Amino acid sequence: KNQVEQSPQSLIILEGKNCTLQCNYTVSPFSNLRWYKQDTGRGPVSLTIMTFSENTKSNGRYTATLDADTKQSSLHITASQLSDSASYICVVSQNSGGYQKVTFGTGTKLQVIP
Amino acid sequence: EAGVTQFPSHSVIEKGQTVTLRCDPISGHDNLYWYRRVMGKEIKFLLHFVKESKQDESGMPNNRFLAERTGGTYSTLKVQPAELEDSGVYFCASSQEAGRLWSEQYFGPGTRLTVT
Repeated sequence: KNQVEQSPQSLIILEGKNCTLQCNYTVSPFSNLRWYKQDTGRGPVSLTIMTFSENTKSNGRYTATLDADTKQSSLHITASQLSDSASYICVVSQNSGGYQKVTFGTGTKLQVIP
Repeated sequence: EAGVTQFPSHSVIEKGQTVTLRCDPISGHDNLYWYRRVMGKEIKFLLHFVKESKQDESGMPNNRFLAERTGGTYSTLKVQPAELEDSGVYFCASSQEAGRLWSEQYFGPGTRLTVT
């Protein structure tokens, strides 16, 4: 069964601190992995996308890593800001008849406090 | 350029009633997806349109759900009759080119459906 598991479920950090979110997946065959940020009341917004040949991708203060051998990914947030408070969702895509089919993780709810 | 829009933002209906959700994708996007998040669970795939055709509807929970995409533009998702377990947030997403595995999916804000 295709699954995407994320940890921790929730996290509270002080503004300015760094944090790392984890994602383990069993989706196969693997096409790509994305990290999304979802603010309350809004739809998910893509932060990074990685294929199996990429092991790191940065987008500003967000850096994602991928180990396709162990089927693990992480999202590192540097120098957190209050606006980083959101749910972060790991999404793994597989090739289904030439189209992408996605499996979502349950997300990590991050709260950045002053 | 307008993003993906969904209507209504919230809907509260009684069990047994009918509700129709609407999604307007980004203009020119061939792919349109419907997803659902039930309370406390992960977002799950419902179905995928390529233009006006249903490419994959394997995620539709049962025949009380009917999705259409007239003319390959906007899409509707009808639930009839609604049951308590249908409560959740329904997301629509669109992406540009049909058949591209890496096409960015742009999500709408979702419709929160509450069945009482």
